[in-house]
Amino acid sequence: GDSVTQMEGPVTLSEEAFLTINCTYTATGYPSLFWYVQYPGEGLQLLLKATKADDKGSNKGFEATYRKETTSFHLEKGSVQVSDSAVYFCALSAQAAGNKLTFGGGTRVLVKP
Amino acid sequence: NAGVMQNPRHLVRRRGQEARLRCSPMKGHSHVYWYRQLPEEGLKFMVYLQKENIIDESGMPKERFSAEFPKEGPSILRIQQVVRGDSAAYFCASSPETGGEQYFGPGTRLTVT
Repeated sequence: GDSVTQMEGPVTLSEEAFLTINCTYTATGYPSLFWYVQYPGEGLQLLLKATKADDKGSNKGFEATYRKETTSFHLEKGSVQVSDSAVYFCALSAQAAGNKLTFGGGTRVLVKP
Repeated sequence: NAGVMQNPRHLVRRRGQEARLRCSPMKGHSHVYWYRQLPEEGLKFMVYLQKENIIDESGMPKERFSAEFPKEGPSILRIQQVVRGDSAAYFCASSPETGGEQYFGPGTRLTVT
């Protein structure tokens, strides 16, 4: 079945550091790929998405590129802020699976001033 | 336009009691997904419903769990005879159409004592 693997955390960074969170997936067909962010005590918010190979999703300084050849969708941000401290989830959805989301285990990011 | 609403936000039940979790989708959305997040884990798909129909319940435990989305009113996730292992955060998401973006509610945190 479909699956998503992302790097385990926690990831601790200083403010203005570069952030990368690795995400790889296994799926049949051509899934859509997503990054969600979860702040403490809250639900998930869509951060960015890409629906086909070589698409780049971007939002709030975060970027991720859909790489079909390496089945990856790594999240990057050039300069993190304390407010970026959260848990980040990589996910995929496939039309053949009713578009339900399959999530990775999440990566906790802590940005220190 | 109000977002996805879930209530209660926190629910405490003793072992053997019933838990009812409610989800009101965004206005105009007729597709609802339920996900469960166990402590320190990612979200796992449970069930996908459209108005009055269960489309995919492949993630639902075979016993004690049921879900509905009536023509009028919120979607309900019902857990009978709760056990400690049911303690988790339960999130619902709604979508306006098949394959559309899913918008998440704030979740219901169920604690079984």
